[in-house]
Amino acid sequence: AQKVTQAQTEISVVEKEDVTLDCVYETRDTTYYLFWYKQPPSGELVFLIRRNSFDEQNEISGRYSWNFQKSTSSFNFTITASQVVDSAVYFCALSGYSTLTFGKGTMLLVSP
Amino acid sequence: EAQVTQNPRYLITVTGKKLTVTCSQNMNHEYMSWYRQDPGLGLRQIYYSMNVEVTDKGDVPEGYKVSRKEKRNFPLILESPSPNQTSLYFCASSLVVPLNTEAFFGQGTRLTVV
Repeated sequence: AQKVTQAQTEISVVEKEDVTLDCVYETRDTTYYLFWYKQPPSGELVFLIRRNSFDEQNEISGRYSWNFQKSTSSFNFTITASQVVDSAVYFCALSGYSTLTFGKGTMLLVSP
Repeated sequence: EAQVTQNPRYLITVTGKKLTVTCSQNMNHEYMSWYRQDPGLGLRQIYYSMNVEVTDKGDVPEGYKVSRKEKRNFPLILESPSPNQTSLYFCASSLVVPLNTEAFFGQGTRLTVV
């Protein structure tokens, strides 16, 4: 069975601080995909990134970066110089062949 | 515009009154699924469908039914809703199975059962 653990339930930071959201996963599959989604206060789910199990290169997109470490089964997400608009719930997810398993989410509160 | 459309967005109903939440996608995706989101529990999968006429249970299927008679539609049916089904529901679609591309989500349906 697949499992995704986001141990941080809620994180509060002040604007311009860097923040890292942790994601640890469990799977027996050798091929799998990891995702991050953002859920702003308006409620929709916004796709942020996809990473396959064979690609351990870190990725950077503007203020966002992702660190995938297969050895520790982790796929952490860092926001640099956080902004109020980053306030949201962030979900890490793991795909198997036919199911997508989500973590419980981390609520990020960025105050001015 | 590529999208997943759910209706209604908000629904308040009474215990035992059958209801259907519709979901439609215009991207010709093979895979569709339903999730419910509850505080502290994240998103949990209710049912999924890998193709027309093929559906299977997710993690929390009790009290729900689905059908996939056409590729674009995947309605969620609550035959006899109960208060513990009060939740935020999301429909999602993905291009193919295995799930190696991102899922597209509908806007969500907030259901309250009283």
